Amino acid sequence: RKEVEQDPGPFNVPEGATVAFNCTYSNSASQSFFWYRQDCRKEPKLLMSVYSSGNEDGRFTAQLNRASQYISLLIRDSKLSDSATYLCVVNAGGGYNKLIFGAGTRLAVHP
Amino acid sequence: EPEVTQTPSHQVTQMGQEVILRCVPISNHLYFYWYRQILGQKVEFLVSFYNNEISEKSEIFDDQFSVERPDGSNFTLKIRSTKLEDSAMYFCASSDGAAWDTEAFFGQGTRLTVV
Repeated sequence: RKEVEQDPGPFNVPEGATVAFNCTYSNSASQSFFWYRQDCRKEPKLLMSVYSSGNEDGRFTAQLNRASQYISLLIRDSKLSDSATYLCVVNAGGGYNKLIFGAGTRLAVHP
Repeated sequence: EPEVTQTPSHQVTQMGQEVILRCVPISNHLYFYWYRQILGQKVEFLVSFYNNEISEKSEIFDDQFSVERPDGSNFTLKIRSTKLEDSAMYFCASSDGAAWDTEAFFGQGTRLTVV
């Protein structure tokens, strides 16, 4: 089983749509979880951390289910500028902040 | 806003040559990392570095690779005897802590092309 697994997409959605991305992780010892955004040929940038209680940042909502080892990201009212690859990222635990990346889900928002 | 800077942005090298990729982490950060991303693939952890020594490394980080913090500001990745399959984007990152919720900041990357 892959350490972090995501649906590769692409998700092609119109502006204003709501889109949801899912992710599963294999290491039950993982302690922290993130969504990063990566634009084409650019560095990953932190979008938001994911907490067990769920958290929201504007149009973005992240959820974590530790029992199912499942993470989600919901984007409401999609904008053209949301077009990017969304990376599910898990801290491997054991110290030193080693991050394990999923392969990413590509989102294309069209007019 | 402080940022991680990497040079060069693109490096082309002949197979078998040595390359050094350079990074300047954020100044008050203590933990440093190298990741790589082969075109079309996921970002992969290579190595973490703290207190002037490697704290963890992946299976990818074999004897061909080495890291160094030669002075108080630079953090370098050396790849000896480059191979075609070393062609990738190499990202440096730094953080001010190793706690599970500490954000790692990434540089803009160095694209390495081995020909």
